Amino acid sequence: SQQGEEDPQALSIQEGENATMNCSYKTSINNLQWYRQNSGRGLVHLILIRSNEREKHSGRLRVTLDTSKKSSSLLITASRAADTASYFCATDKGGSEKLVFGKGTKLTVNP
Amino acid sequence: DTAVSQTPKYLVTQMGNDKSIKCEQNLGHDTMYWYKQDSKKFLKIMFSYNNKELIINETVPNRFSPKSPDKAHLNLHINSLELGDSAVYFCASSHPREGGSPLHFGNGTRLTVT
Repeated sequence: SQQGEEDPQALSIQEGENATMNCSYKTSINNLQWYRQNSGRGLVHLILIRSNEREKHSGRLRVTLDTSKKSSSLLITASRAADTASYFCATDKGGSEKLVFGKGTKLTVNP
Repeated sequence: DTAVSQTPKYLVTQMGNDKSIKCEQNLGHDTMYWYKQDSKKFLKIMFSYNNKELIINETVPNRFSPKSPDKAHLNLHINSLELGDSAVYFCASSHPREGGSPLHFGNGTRLTVT
């Protein structure tokens, strides 16, 4: 069954604003990953946060993880039109377990 | 220079036909996957191979058969295609899953069954 659930399903903002997407999951995880998918393309890995980490940064991306609430958030600061894409969280229980993806948040950044 | 490449990009065929999708990765990864993305963007794993051996086989109809001739290739053959098979199929690869290696995806094959 599906593990991650992102919200909102869709988000529309103006260039320069920050975008926040949330992901909730149900079972214990080893790590959580965020991916971006541009229209008509494959998913691209953005950032991985391990279960013993609370926050991680990569450029304009900031990811937080709250294992007590089983939730994660992805913040994109100073958004650009090129950030327009769908963003997916994926949970990893570790070992040879499969990576399970949520349904994604569709982000539109208007110029 | 494409890391994970899959062909064809588009596949339009009629119900009942048999078709194959090919995937190759030049990243030296040991593990390869097939994912199916439906019209609502939900991405679900179908199969996973590690060094040519099947390690994940989700509840997928027997009409779907993966084949891995070597660790750089994972092909997907689909028999007796049905309307419900219409979707985008993604190939991906990674280092062994332990340690949380991220997945590298191809650009997908959009399959349309008419």
